[in-house]
Amino acid sequence: NAGVMQNPRHLVRRRGQEARLRCSPMKGHSHVYWYRQLPEEGLKFMVYLQKENIIDESGMPKERFSAEFPKEGPSILRIQQVVRGDSAAYFCASSPQRREKLFFGSGTQLSVL
Amino acid sequence: KNEVEQSPQNLTAQEGEFITINCSYSVGISALHWLQQHPGGGIVSLFMLSSGKKKHGRLIATINIQEKHSSLHITASHPRDSAVYICAETGGGADGLTFGKGTHLIIQP
Repeated sequence: NAGVMQNPRHLVRRRGQEARLRCSPMKGHSHVYWYRQLPEEGLKFMVYLQKENIIDESGMPKERFSAEFPKEGPSILRIQQVVRGDSAAYFCASSPQRREKLFFGSGTQLSVL
Repeated sequence: KNEVEQSPQNLTAQEGEFITINCSYSVGISALHWLQQHPGGGIVSLFMLSSGKKKHGRLIATINIQEKHSSLHITASHPRDSAVYICAETGGGADGLTFGKGTHLIIQP
């Protein structure tokens, strides 16, 4: 049973480009959470999704950021027109039920040049 | 909004020592999580608890709901325990975790 899979592991983008981060939850998990860890800062919640639904996006920046978790396929965190301040580690976590123990992916390190 | 405070921020100890990391929070919670982040960045969930005490191998987590305080203990510490230990909580109906800043633990041989 594979764990939570995130790809790419590292992503380099130039300012103004788009970044797409993918997360495949553990088998049987339909709850996905995205977190961001800025350099020298703690982890911050971004968004919580269930299949095809955004449940809580209170931690998402209002502009340029979006997330989806389609019926088929991985969850996608999309950042449009990236800026240097978006450089961070983005972690995805999944759980089998709401508010249960989380299983984390290895993260995607986004670097914006 | 809940605030999660951890102490100490940094801890260096010798192999074999008993380690305690503390976490306090400001308002009621539904669950308290302890996470371990390795030097490579990967995050592992160690415990999720809402009352009492849980034990897994050399790790013990306790929580006191009345005092809004949790502790993570490591017995017979080993250099491989060196990592950042993060306390996080869910509460007030929120689903996303609120995190402490982490405790950077180094166990020297």
